[in-house]
Amino acid sequence: GAVVSQHPSWVICKSGTSVKIECRSLDFQATTMFWYRQFPKQSLMLMATSNEGSKATYEQGVEKDKFLINHASLTLSTLTVTSAHPEDSSFYICSETGEWGDTQYFGPGTRLTVL
Amino acid sequence: AQSVAQPEDQVNVAEGNPLTVKCTYSVSGNPYLFWYVQYPNRGLQFLLKYITGDNLVKGSYGFEAEFNKSQTSFHLKKPSALVSDSALYFCAVRDGMGGYNKLIFGAGTRLAVHP
Repeated sequence: GAVVSQHPSWVICKSGTSVKIECRSLDFQATTMFWYRQFPKQSLMLMATSNEGSKATYEQGVEKDKFLINHASLTLSTLTVTSAHPEDSSFYICSETGEWGDTQYFGPGTRLTVL
Repeated sequence: AQSVAQPEDQVNVAEGNPLTVKCTYSVSGNPYLFWYVQYPNRGLQFLLKYITGDNLVKGSYGFEAEFNKSQTSFHLKKPSALVSDSALYFCAVRDGMGGYNKLIFGAGTRLAVHP
């Protein structure tokens, strides 16, 4: 399978600040990556599909101006939570589909806490 | 719309006993089905998938799953549970409608293996 890393693994920030989360594909050039969020004791919800060299595709109900996604290279996608508020506190996980494209491989996740 | 259901919030099993974690699905067309496992504060680890072929799929860590088209089920099984198998398990179906290999997850089942 593919190897995906995320940085940071956890972050605490003040309300109103912006936070950037990086997702790297370590062994594959990923044209498509996915961003999910997971609230405590809940399932994963897809936020957006990140496409290298073009705009991300956001799921219904996800604010594109609040959750900025940049996929500037084949190995890096970033998610920026702008003007974060306590309700944005969550576990954010990225994934990519690897060489064959039929299976998603997930990063270790980033725990965001907004005070 | 594609969906998956995991009817059990939690499954308890004694170490050494067989375990089953249930999953049913609803799809139009042929299903692409997946099982993932999540340990606390970690991303998801891929266990196994069914795309086509044999109904019994073998995966990582001794897990297997049986695809049953007539019952629209894809239950995860292991002949002999280990305490280290205790984790959160997610069933997922690929949503081919969006064209981006999106995954739709079940709510998750917490597996607790007791010594």
